[in-house]
Amino acid sequence: DSGVTQTPKHLITATGQRVTLRCSPRSGDLSVYWYQQSLDQGLQFLIQYYNGEERAKGNILERFSAQQFPDLHSELNLSSLELGDSALYFCASSTSGQSTSTDTQYFGPGTRLTVL
Amino acid sequence: AQTVTQSQPEMSVQEAETVTLSCTYDTSESNYYLFWYKQPPSRQMILVIRQEAYKQQNATENRFSVNFQKAAKSFSLKISDSQLGDTAMYFCAFMKHAGGAAGNKLTFGGGTRVLVKP
Repeated sequence: DSGVTQTPKHLITATGQRVTLRCSPRSGDLSVYWYQQSLDQGLQFLIQYYNGEERAKGNILERFSAQQFPDLHSELNLSSLELGDSALYFCASSTSGQSTSTDTQYFGPGTRLTVL
Repeated sequence: AQTVTQSQPEMSVQEAETVTLSCTYDTSESNYYLFWYKQPPSRQMILVIRQEAYKQQNATENRFSVNFQKAAKSFSLKISDSQLGDTAMYFCAFMKHAGGAAGNKLTFGGGTRVLVKP
């Protein structure tokens, strides 16, 4: 158990809908990261938040948005869902968000999103 | 942009034997960090080992060790005394040393599936 929690574990929805994925980081971690794992794109970085502020952005679609709240939990919002958005979405957290090897990213169990 | 390549889609090994997974990366950075993550059938991403590019010494964690060749941009993982629980997908990942507020995303390779046979 990494200490990072994600809800829900599974989500099945229809095209055009909007969903929210939730992540609680490990106790004491200030940075939260979102990654998408799909069969065709592999594991891709979406976005990073540090202590409530956006720090880095990757291949995140405009239909997707995220935020980190004062209690440090984070939510990833996916809207106007398409079939291609079906994937495993991981949240990870780290202590500081500084690029050192000691600032290890610990991953949550993921949310499996299926868009029908 | 950095890229990470894992050229072996799948490997199998007998229990108690040794297997080596390859990883190459492309970067113009001089200071960076490399990681191997394991993803068992449960889908959980678990850190196996990490290496700082400025360190000459290869990292070791119990039965897992790396062979880091900076000039060749190669970072292979050796699993010794393979166990059934090592059956998983293994991902090589790169993180550049950006410093400060620049963020520290991981860039992953495509993965190598390892099957440990009894």
